[in-house]
Amino acid sequence: NAGVTQTPKFRVLKTGQSMTLLCAQDMNHEYMYWYRQDPGMGLRLIHYSVGEGTTAKGEVPDGYNVSRLKKQNFLLGLESAAPSQTSVYFCASSETGATNEQFFGPGTRLTVL
Amino acid sequence: AQSVTQLDSHVSVSEGTPVLLRCNYSSSYSPSLFWYVQHPNKGLQLLLKYTSAATLVKGINGFEAEFKKSETSFHLTKPSAHMSDAAEYFCVVSAAGGSNYKLTFGKGTLLTVNP
Repeated sequence: NAGVTQTPKFRVLKTGQSMTLLCAQDMNHEYMYWYRQDPGMGLRLIHYSVGEGTTAKGEVPDGYNVSRLKKQNFLLGLESAAPSQTSVYFCASSETGATNEQFFGPGTRLTVL
Repeated sequence: AQSVTQLDSHVSVSEGTPVLLRCNYSSSYSPSLFWYVQHPNKGLQLLLKYTSAATLVKGINGFEAEFKKSETSFHLTKPSAHMSDAAEYFCVVSAAGGSNYKLTFGKGTLLTVNP
């Protein structure tokens, strides 16, 4: 099993450009999450999904959109990138919420110039 | 509402000496607590978790943590540090209650192990 994979690993954007980050998991997990990690801030939840076709806002959702059209995939979109969105983005999945371990992908390092 | 405070942003120990990483939490519901480790340029990996069973939890690589409800603490310990333990450690709280199925992360503690 590959676990949780993320595409791409690195990306540089110019302000105003758009892009989509792809997360895929092969563990048949119901829950999926997108986080951003910034120095000294820990991980902050952007959006999450509790099942196929559902999404919900996390702690820092502004400037991002998500879609969960298939159970195994969770897409994070930036419609108009801003320098403040320079960060490392992690996707995670879990069987259910709360008490279950979250499995993390390797991360995507995004720089917005 | 829930929150996590990791009391030290950086801990430095010598190889072979004990490790103590401190974590305090607050939660409106019965919490689940986790410690995750992140090695440089890697994703996060679960070290151990507490989910209302035994208060002393053993994890991977010789780490353990004790849940103390009266002190709202969940400190991570290891008797003898190894060079490979150098990483960033995150204390995490999750509380099932209402629609709250999200993890709240502490800001992390960077562990340095000196030879």
